Amino acid sequence: SQQGEEDPQALSIQEGENATMNCSYKTSINNLQWYRQNSGRGLVHLILIRSNEREKHSGRLRVTLDTSKKSSSLLITASRAADTASYFCATDLDSNYQLIWGAGTKLIIKP
Amino acid sequence: DTGVSQNPRHKITKRGQNVTFRCDPISEHNRLYWYRQTLGQGPEFLTYFQNEAQLEKSRLLSDRFSAERPKGSFSTLEIQRTEQGDSAMYLCASSWTGDHEQYFGPGTRLTVT
Repeated sequence: SQQGEEDPQALSIQEGENATMNCSYKTSINNLQWYRQNSGRGLVHLILIRSNEREKHSGRLRVTLDTSKKSSSLLITASRAADTASYFCATDLDSNYQLIWGAGTKLIIKP
Repeated sequence: DTGVSQNPRHKITKRGQNVTFRCDPISEHNRLYWYRQTLGQGPEFLTYFQNEAQLEKSRLLSDRFSAERPKGSFSTLEIQRTEQGDSAMYLCASSWTGDHEQYFGPGTRLTVT
């Protein structure tokens, strides 16, 4: 069974706008990771946030984590056509590196 | 290119046949993972190795599935007596102990007819 659930399932925005996607999970975690998947490059790691962190930035990406609500959000600012992809959250429960994945958010950036 | 490689990229087989996939991880990585992904879903964990030892197997991995990693280098995933429900993308990833980020290969797409 899958631990994470992304919301929305699909998101279509204009280039230049910000995109926000959310992930909820069920059990306590050691860390939460976001990955991007497109047909050209496969699955690529974007950012990791540990359970004792609340916010993290990497370039145009901002990730927040609320362990009390068991949720995380990924914000992509100033979106580009190249950001078109599916975005997955993956949770690492007890640092044995077994990742449990959500079903993903499909993001389409319109030119 | 020193990333994770998987072969073959595509495999079409008839129900009941056996298939074997290969994964070559990034050479410095001692951990290797196998996942299965169906259309519209996230990857599902199957198994992982630390060096040559298979440390964990998902209950998804029925007796028809077996994975090996001889000498702690490349890994093979074999599916015996394939069923149509085995049709999926099989993904391999690798990492270094202490590094949570996993590096994925391009996957092997299996179609069972």
